[in-house]
Amino acid sequence: DIQMTQSPSSLSASVGDRVTITCRASQSISSYLNWYQQKPGKAPKLLIYAASSLQSGVPSRFSGSGSGTDFTLTISSLQPEDFATYYCQQSHNTFTFGPGTKVDIK
Amino acid sequence: QVQLVQSGAEVKKPGASVKVSCKASGYTFTSYDINWVRQATGQGLEWMGWMNPNSGNTGYAQKFQGRVNFTRNTSISTAYMELSSLRSEDTAVYYCARGYYDILTGYQRGDYWGQGTLVTVSS
Repeated sequence: DIQMTQSPSSLSASVGDRVTITCRASQSISSYLNWYQQKPGKAPKLLIYAASSLQSGVPSRFSGSGSGTDFTLTISSLQPEDFATYYCQQSHNTFTFGPGTKVDIK
Repeated sequence: QVQLVQSGAEVKKPGASVKVSCKASGYTFTSYDINWVRQATGQGLEWMGWMNPNSGNTGYAQKFQGRVNFTRNTSISTAYMELSSLRSEDTAVYYCARGYYDILTGYQRGDYWGQGTLVTVSS
């Protein structure tokens, strides 16, 4: 099975900050990598698919990069509504989620 | 608009079974997979498996094989997840998610999600 890790597990940031979250796969998954945002009590929301493609309706301050085993989600200028938990998910061989990164207010 | 509406919260005793429904609207139900994902309180997301509503084909995460069953009723655009031999560790919110598969690239993603169904297992 493909294992996913994320770093950091949590971070504190201020509105306007640039935020970067890293996801690593235990083996190469090409670009079969999705990113989701989840707020408390809500279902996950798809942000990025195929490592770098922005899902329709998602603000352009979100971007994704990477291929193979190392991936990055970047929020260029953190907004109040972006405080949430972010999960990566591989879709190369069935699906596996990373453990999540919680972004909270500094 | 695409919507997935799940059934309400359930409370079950250990050893029992639970069946959660996921009603799809706003798209052709048989054209997209349905995935099931669960989340224990304060924990991360755990993928349980997928079902192709057109063929009825299923795939289960190894952890749940033998204990979970996905079915569907295409006449009412509804998918079902049944989990048996429940134990306290199965207490979680269960989500269904539409699986979008790009036939040209092979990329898959969960683009629409249900609101979640809380299943509580307690004696």
